[in-house]
Amino acid sequence: ETVLTQSPGTLSLSPGERATLSCRASQSVSSSYLAWFQQKPGQAPRLLIYGASTRATGIPDRFSGSGSGTDFTLTISRLEPADSAVYYCHQYGSSLPSTFGQGTKLEIK
Amino acid sequence: EVQLVESGGGLVKPGGSLRLSCAASGFTFGSYTMNWVRQAPGKGLEWISHISSSSSYMHYADSVKGRFTISRDNAKNVVYLQMNSLRVEDTAVYYCARRLCNDDCYLDYWGQGTLVTVSS
Repeated sequence: ETVLTQSPGTLSLSPGERATLSCRASQSVSSSYLAWFQQKPGQAPRLLIYGASTRATGIPDRFSGSGSGTDFTLTISRLEPADSAVYYCHQYGSSLPSTFGQGTKLEIK
Repeated sequence: EVQLVESGGGLVKPGGSLRLSCAASGFTFGSYTMNWVRQAPGKGLEWISHISSSSSYMHYADSVKGRFTISRDNAKNVVYLQMNSLRVEDTAVYYCARRLCNDDCYLDYWGQGTLVTVSS
C-alpha cells in the first residue's frame, strides 16, 4: 500500500499570503495518478488538481500543483478567507488500494 | 450536468447489514469506473472500493474486504454497496465518486454522501 503523508497538519496564514502543502509518498507515484482535493465542512471533496499539476475546470490559477516521484506540492497563492478548508492528496493508479493523505487543515485568519 | 446521489444510509446495529445506492445522471454511466469513499466523523477520506465499467473487476480496501460488496446496474445507472457484518468503526459518511481516466486518472465527480451510523 502506498502511504501518503501530508505536512503540515495545520497551517495558519493571513489573507494575501502563500500556502505550501506537501504530500510525500512511501513509494513512487506516477504523476498521472496524483490529485489534490479541497473539502469544506459538511461538503463533499472538490477536485482541485489532477495529473499532479493540471487544474480542474473552474479552479483559479492561484492554485498550482507540482512534483513527481514521491514528493508533491500544492501551492495556493494570494490566500483568501474562502480557501479555509482541509486539503487532501490522493493517489489512484496501478497501485491498489487507492490512498489519501491524512489531510492538511488550512486556516486563514 | 453530472449528478451522483447516494441513498440508503441510516442507523444500524453492529453485525447488521445495509445497502447503499448511488444514482448517476448526466453522463454515460456504463463507461466509467465507480468508487465508494468514506469519511468517519472528524477523520480523513478512505477509499474503500471500486468497480469497473462492465463489472469485470472490483477491488476493496482491506478494512472492508469480505464484508462489503460493490455492484452496479448499467441499465439503471446505479452503483451499490452492500455492507454486511457492520462494525462501529464503519460509521462514516459514504460518498460515491466517478473515476475519469484519460492520460491521467482521478475522481472527478462526487455525490454529497450518505451517513451510516453503526451503534447499539
